[in-house]
Amino acid sequence: SAVISQKPSRDICQRGTSLTIQCQVDSQVTMMFWYRQQPGQSLTLIATANQGSEATYESGFVIDKFPISRPNLTFSTLTVSNMSPEDSSIYLCSVVVGVNSPLHFGNGTRLTVT
Amino acid sequence: EDKVVQSPLSLVVHEGDTVTLNCSYEVTNFRSLLWYKQEKKAPTFLFMLTSSGIEKKSGRLSSILDKKELFSILNITATQTGDSAVYLCALNAGGTSYGKLTFGQGTILTVHP
Repeated sequence: SAVISQKPSRDICQRGTSLTIQCQVDSQVTMMFWYRQQPGQSLTLIATANQGSEATYESGFVIDKFPISRPNLTFSTLTVSNMSPEDSSIYLCSVVVGVNSPLHFGNGTRLTVT
Repeated sequence: EDKVVQSPLSLVVHEGDTVTLNCSYEVTNFRSLLWYKQEKKAPTFLFMLTSSGIEKKSGRLSSILDKKELFSILNITATQTGDSAVYLCALNAGGTSYGKLTFGQGTILTVHP
């Protein structure tokens, strides 16, 4: 499995501002994903970060709110834009190293919006 | 729509007890079922199951899948306080990417000394 580093680990932000979360993997991976876990809820996929092209968003998530970059095979960012308290969640970067391999998660970013 | 239901939602035991966590699912096109342990923020991978009846084992943890009855169980024997966590069951459906998982609500396991 890969070592996946996310930062920041946690942040407290004011409503209306934006936060960019970084995800660094120690090896090249084709497939990279961003998940969200709202308080008391389970994990939900936000989008697939595609290298060299626009991210693929799941139903209910849009690029204007959650812009994603993937400049190479080891790095991605997720921005949470124009934040509201409802965006308070754990955001998780995750990767699949190879076909038929399980999904592995980074250490997560706990975001609180006040 | 793919669906994953875990039971019980929470469980409190004492050290040394054996626990069984349940996961039932509905899916149109099954690829794999995965178990994760979540402490604090990050889920840690435990098992990936693709075939019925083949037990996967890692130390005191084991898991098995029944594709006919559409469920899986996770067993933990001789529980320790370090086993206290949320255990998540997730489904990967065929036709979707390997990273697109449908998660259950999780089972909160608390192990008292």
